[in-house]
Amino acid sequence: GAGVSQSPRYKVAKRGQDVALRCDPISGHVSLFWYQQALGQGPEFLTYFQNEAQLDKSGLPSDRFFAERPEGSVSTLKIQRTQQEDSAVYLCASSLRDGNNEQFFGPGTRLTVL
Amino acid sequence: SQQGEEDPQALSIQEGENATMNCSYKTSINNLQWYRQNSGRGLVHLILIRSNEREKHSGRLRVTLDTSKKSSSLLITASRAADTASYFCATDAGSSYKLIFGSGTRLLVRP
Repeated sequence: GAGVSQSPRYKVAKRGQDVALRCDPISGHVSLFWYQQALGQGPEFLTYFQNEAQLDKSGLPSDRFFAERPEGSVSTLKIQRTQQEDSAVYLCASSLRDGNNEQFFGPGTRLTVL
Repeated sequence: SQQGEEDPQALSIQEGENATMNCSYKTSINNLQWYRQNSGRGLVHLILIRSNEREKHSGRLRVTLDTSKKSSSLLITASRAADTASYFCATDAGSSYKLIFGSGTRLLVRP
């Protein structure tokens, strides 16, 4: 069966460019998460959606980061005016519902900002 | 900031040996999960242990949880070269949704 997919898998941006990262969660999964993983580190929580509602965006590093999930399925993470410190792997995960359930992760998008 | 810390940061063993990784965390939890990440791939869920459980098994994996010490261990028995990966513990830090990951243990299993 189809898992979580993300696109693009790799993105190179010049500093100051805007980027948009896409996540297709597992069909029917209510919860969707974005994480940022720096090289050699564990993922760090960015934001959480329950259906189309963004219930927690406390992990977004700055107001240059914006996420949406308008129809409760596909989600987009947008980074405006990218900076070098934004270089990381951005992971998307989905789960069937809340309640401390297993999260299924996508392969991630590796963003490199030059 | 990250909740958990794995120990050791890196581990190299011979195929067939057992591998033990430890995780410590800081706040109360509802459950603790272990994930594996192969190079260039996403995280794969291995096992979840709830705060009222002390030990759990899944195939060659054995996880223990000591809530009084705020620590967990992951034991992989009879390791294989294919077990080479980074292993992360993740806690919910008492929330109902988000995961807080440790910094991971990089395991190398030599053929």
